[in-house]
Amino acid sequence: EPEVTQTPSHQVTQMGQEVILRCVPISNHLYFYWYRQILGQKVEFLVSFYNNEISEKSEIFDDQFSVERPDGSNFTLKIRSTKLEDSAMYFCASSGSWVKTGELFFGEGSRLTVL
Amino acid sequence: AQSVTQPDIHITVSEGASLELRCNYSYGATPYLFWYVQSPGQGLQLLLKYFSGDTLVQGIKGFEAEFKRSQSSFNLRKPSVHWSDAAEYFCAVAGTASKLTFGTGTRLQVTL
Repeated sequence: EPEVTQTPSHQVTQMGQEVILRCVPISNHLYFYWYRQILGQKVEFLVSFYNNEISEKSEIFDDQFSVERPDGSNFTLKIRSTKLEDSAMYFCASSGSWVKTGELFFGEGSRLTVL
Repeated sequence: AQSVTQPDIHITVSEGASLELRCNYSYGATPYLFWYVQSPGQGLQLLLKYFSGDTLVQGIKGFEAEFKRSQSSFNLRKPSVHWSDAAEYFCAVAGTASKLTFGTGTRLQVTL
């Protein structure tokens, strides 16, 4: 069964460092997303991406964040200068056709710990 | 703005007992509604979804949910819980933009 894969599974970084989280969406999917879950809190939408551009972003997704699809398979989330409050589990998701299937397929997440 | 309320933070049921997890949503039009399950250290797995049509939807692992527009609810049910159902359950709502808004989750504990 096709799945969304994320790397790394866990990353520890120092405050102020840049972090790149990587995702390989399901191969024929066209819509890509990042969500995050701070420990003990709900899953929050960060950004959606379609046709090589951001289609929607939340208030959380400020100038410190960026997304990119550098090649045909990867979808990355970059945090330019990490803060303590960026510590969270980051989930990548992809979707084929939202209107038809309405399903997002989530990866297992990348846990980011900022010290 | 869309929102989801899951009033129960933690529920404990005995194995074999029935289960109902509550979900109330707020959305201006007809919403897309979802239930996801998250096992410890795992990602989010879709249990079921409602887009339109029959208000009682069946999902995986024996779960079902009923959309009640008059109550703005989408409660998840299972007639007989198994120990492997212990996990965190998230209700979510979306509009046509495909952005999911999640509730705070309900942690299910199953006692043997």
